[in-house]
Amino acid sequence: ETGVTQTPRHLVMGMTNKKSLKCEQHLGHNAMYWYKQSAKKPLELMFVYNFKEQTENNSVPSRFSPECPNSSHLFLHLHTLQPEDSALYLCASSQDPALGSGANVLTFGAGSRLTVL
Amino acid sequence: LAKTTQPISMDSYEGQEVNITCSHNNIATNDYITWYQQFPSQGPRFIIQGYKTKVTNEVASLFIPADRKSSTLSLPRVSLSDTAVYYCLVGPPGTYKYIFGTGTRLKVLA
Repeated sequence: ETGVTQTPRHLVMGMTNKKSLKCEQHLGHNAMYWYKQSAKKPLELMFVYNFKEQTENNSVPSRFSPECPNSSHLFLHLHTLQPEDSALYLCASSQDPALGSGANVLTFGAGSRLTVL
Repeated sequence: LAKTTQPISMDSYEGQEVNITCSHNNIATNDYITWYQQFPSQGPRFIIQGYKTKVTNEVASLFIPADRKSSTLSLPRVSLSDTAVYYCLVGPPGTYKYIFGTGTRLKVLA
């Protein structure tokens, strides 16, 4: 399988549940990203990992907990979410931004549509 | 990172050429311009990237004037399947923080 794969594609959870989103990339990239896209809003960068180390945390509430066990896998652990957290969560990967010429090019997955009841 | 401004929406007809302009007045010397396409309920997809003058690939062309304060994405002979949101991003090599704006919602009509 190639590209960036996100599971599950759809998730419905209650505010007291704990769930996780999974992202896997088969592109040999070193950087991985979580973005949030709410209805009618631009994509919001949440977290960035490069070589498994977190390099960006864009003031994300602690009820979202990322985990990057290796350069190919990225998780977003969810607990005690609010209805306003309902959104499309997008994972992306890229080469190490410090390498190569040109600006960073992101490859996105299809997203996980989250609904919090 | 330089802020970008794009039209919120555009309509076109099948077979026409579509030009979407992005304004980035505060672009820095080492910034590149990158365009993405997003279909509903999918992640954005890279279309094209450039630094100056003109870049062309199998999907689109990117025109960048000498002052680099704007750029134009050109889609030749659009079809219904080109209906999507198009984002213009500006940033330097080495950054992780690419900011997506509201993009341009292109609707292609039959």
